[in-house]
Amino acid sequence: DAMVIQNPRYQVTQFGKPVTLSCSQTLNHNVMYWYQQKSSQAPKLLFHYYDKDFNNEADTPDNFQSRRPNTSFCFLDIRSPGLGDAAMYLCATSRARTGWDYNEQFFGPGTRLTVL
Amino acid sequence: QQQVKQSPQSLIVQKGGIPIINCAYENTAFDYFPWYQQFPGKGPALLIAIRPDVSEKKEGRFTISFNKSAKQFSLHIMDSQPGDSATYFCAASISGSSNTGKLIFGQGTTLQVKP
Repeated sequence: DAMVIQNPRYQVTQFGKPVTLSCSQTLNHNVMYWYQQKSSQAPKLLFHYYDKDFNNEADTPDNFQSRRPNTSFCFLDIRSPGLGDAAMYLCATSRARTGWDYNEQFFGPGTRLTVL
Repeated sequence: QQQVKQSPQSLIVQKGGIPIINCAYENTAFDYFPWYQQFPGKGPALLIAIRPDVSEKKEGRFTISFNKSAKQFSLHIMDSQPGDSATYFCAASISGSSNTGKLIFGQGTTLQVKP
């Protein structure tokens, strides 16, 4: 089945120690999104790639970076995780950004990040 | 103006009941209104979506009612089951070609359906 895969499902890191989360998709979608979701809150968009075009949200901290080496993979790098960065990180994809029939977002299962 | 306000924050119903979750928005440029269902420890999954040129859409036991003039939309779950217990998020976006397709989420509603 075509899907959005996130690895690892659970990640524990130490305060200030860089961490990378990965997302892969078999949907061949053009757009990949990264969201941060804290407990009992809605997902918050961090950034997205439209093909190789990177789009950062204005309020995303510089501590968060992303890479998309090819269509299938996208990485979230947290350069110096703080306690406040503990959250579920969700990757999502869509065929396109616009067009009512094409902008449905498909979410992966998420990576739960713990910062000690 | 970019906000989507969702209520209630939590909801408990008996099996077979019809929970209703409401959302309101301000930005009249929004033209795509999806509902996502999220189980604990899982990513959100699209449940049903509506465009503003229709007033109602049904898929199985799930119905979206849309009131364009009031800028409100709601999710109704018919014959609710314990397996429907989850968090539900409404969202809105602008699907025009000059936009990014960014979803603006409501705050979420935690639904518990008691057996």
